[in-house]
Amino acid sequence: GENVEQHPSTLSVQEGDSAVIKCTYSDSASNYFPWYKQELGKGPQLIIDIRSNVGEKKDQRIAVTLNKTAKHFSLHITETQPEDSAVYFCAASRDSGYALNFGKGTSLLVTP
Amino acid sequence: DAGVIQSPRHEVTEMGQEVTLRCKPISGHDYLFWYRQTMMRGLELLIYFNNNVPIDDSGMPEDRFSAKMPNASFSTLKIQPSEPRDSAVYFCASSLWGGETQYFGPGTRLLVL
Repeated sequence: GENVEQHPSTLSVQEGDSAVIKCTYSDSASNYFPWYKQELGKGPQLIIDIRSNVGEKKDQRIAVTLNKTAKHFSLHITETQPEDSAVYFCAASRDSGYALNFGKGTSLLVTP
Repeated sequence: DAGVIQSPRHEVTEMGQEVTLRCKPISGHDYLFWYRQTMMRGLELLIYFNNNVPIDDSGMPEDRFSAKMPNASFSTLKIQPSEPRDSAVYFCASSLWGGETQYFGPGTRLLVL
């Protein structure tokens, strides 16, 4: 089955700096790669996703890149703010009908 | 829409007792997922349904766990008998299609003493 590895497990940055979280996956048939943000006491919420026919996608301060050849994808957060502090999860999935396989999560702390 | 609804939000029980967790997915979503989250193992998929039919239950830890989806708007996850190692946050999520955006509920925090 699919195996998703996520690094680092914890990340601390100063407000205004950039943060990068990386994930690798094992199933070459995976073609949907979402990123979720989980705040304390809440369920994960989708923040951005990318499909295998796209190499990069941006949404304001958040961007995701995908390298299908190397089977890895990354989340980039620019101009970090304290409210970005949360646990971030990457995931991978095949086509419709398959469940998401989540990474172990990255705890991001943005210090003022 | 109210989003995915889970109840109870918190549950404290004693070892050996039966625990039932409930979930109401977003209306119109065909897929429903149950996850368990712990510090050690992260987010684990337990089981998921498509149109009320269980598709993959390979993540269910053992026979003490069972899940049902009697209709499109309701699902239960039951643990009988419960054990301390079942203590975790249990999330329900739903999506229009299986590999698409999943919308998570707020979770049920279970503590088995």
